[in-house]
Amino acid sequence: GQQVMQIPQYQHVQEGEDFTTYCNSSTTLSNIQWYKQRPGGHPVFLIQLVKSGEVKKQKRLTFQFGEAKKNSSLHITATQTTDVGTYFCAGMNSGYSTLTFGKGTMLLVSP
Amino acid sequence: DAGITQSPRHKVTETGTPVTLRCHQTENHRYMYWYRQDPGHGLRLIHYSYGVKDTDKGEVSDGYSVSRSKTEDFLLTLESATSSQTSVYFCAIRPRDAYEQYFGPGTRLTVT
Repeated sequence: GQQVMQIPQYQHVQEGEDFTTYCNSSTTLSNIQWYKQRPGGHPVFLIQLVKSGEVKKQKRLTFQFGEAKKNSSLHITATQTTDVGTYFCAGMNSGYSTLTFGKGTMLLVSP
Repeated sequence: DAGITQSPRHKVTETGTPVTLRCHQTENHRYMYWYRQDPGHGLRLIHYSYGVKDTDKGEVSDGYSVSRSKTEDFLLTLESATSSQTSVYFCAIRPRDAYEQYFGPGTRLTVT
């Protein structure tokens, strides 16, 4: 079945530093989605990428979808303490019915 | 807030007992999902539904069953709970004409 790998598992940065998490799929994806989960909370949808090579920005967050639609990245510029949480990528299957989640990258930001 | 509630929010039960978790939505969404979240494993799909009485298995369906007799409710049942089913369970919905999912607050289940 479809597998989605995400690295790193954990990253601890100082406030103001940049952060990047990477996602790789074993198969070509219909789309890829990113979610954020704060400690003790539930996953919250951030964005969806559909097109090969697509780049989307949300304020300090930049999301990319690879040319082959098998990999993606999330980059946060100048992290803030409010960025703390676990970031998940999720690949949609070819039938557009289910998502396969990566194991997530836990981000800790020290002031 | 996507109008999703889960009940109970916390439950402690003994090995071998049946447990039913409820997911309730108020906005008539067609797709509903049950996930479990465990440290080191991320979110794993248990079962999902694409309409009343229409369900399918996910990645980790063994030991779980589901039912959806009404659009608004999606029930997850552990027929005989085991300690390996101790987890946080999330329900999610997918809005019409969209592919993203919105999650409920979760149920923390402990099987002793």
